[in-house]
Amino acid sequence: GAGVSQSPSNKVTEKGKDVELRCDPISGHTALYWYRQSLGQGLEFLIYFQGNSAPDKSGLPSDRFSAERTGGSVSTLTIQRTQQEDSAVYLCASSWTGADNQPQHFGDGTRLSIL
Amino acid sequence: GQQVMQIPQYQHVQEGEDFTTYCNSSTTLSNIQWYKQRPGGHPVFLIQLVKSGEVKKQKRLTFQFGEAKKNSSLHITATQTTDVGTYFCAPSGAGSYQLTFGKGTKLSVIP
Repeated sequence: GAGVSQSPSNKVTEKGKDVELRCDPISGHTALYWYRQSLGQGLEFLIYFQGNSAPDKSGLPSDRFSAERTGGSVSTLTIQRTQQEDSAVYLCASSWTGADNQPQHFGDGTRLSIL
Repeated sequence: GQQVMQIPQYQHVQEGEDFTTYCNSSTTLSNIQWYKQRPGGHPVFLIQLVKSGEVKKQKRLTFQFGEAKKNSSLHITATQTTDVGTYFCAPSGAGSYQLTFGKGTKLSVIP
C-alpha cells in the first residue's frame, strides 16, 4: 500500500480483556515504531524494531504490553489484561532506516477504549 | 533522547493573523524535525532542519533553526482554517533512532 496501515481503526473492549493491534508499514521500510497518544497529549514512544535486530522495548509501560514483528514487516502490539488507563490512540510509524534523521511516516492509528 | 520545550501550548488566532510556535532546548541539537497533526489525524512530517541559522519556506510556512542550534521556530503567515492542528518538533540526527517529540502547540483558527 501507499502508506502505513493500521487495524482496527477503533477498538472498544472491557477491562481485563486482551487486545491485538496491527501495523503494516510502508513496503521497504526497515524501521517500525509504536507510539501511544492520550487525549490531547504528545507522543509517547513504546517500542522500536529495526530489521532483524532485537527490538528496543524501553518505552513499554508495563509487562502487559508486548510486540512482535514478523518477517521484518507486519507488527502486532498486544496488551494483556487491559486497564482503563490503556485507553489512548496507538500510532505506528515506519521509516526507511532506523537513523533518526529519517522522516517517520505514521498510520492513522487505532483508537482503543477500555470500558 | 534530547528534550525540547514547545511554547505556547495553545494558540488561538483570527483567520488571517500570523502564528509562531517555538521549540527550545537546553542543549545543542543536531537536526530538528517538524510534524503537523490535524484533529483526529496522524502526525505528518513537514520538514527537517540541519544547518545552523537555516531558514526554509513552504508556501506560508517558514521554519528557522537558531544560530546556536538550541531553538527552532515555525511561523505561519496569514493563517487559514486549514492550518488548524497540533505542531510538534522533534530533535533528530544525534545518532539515536528514537525521536522524542515535544508536547506540541495546538493551533486554533477562528474564521
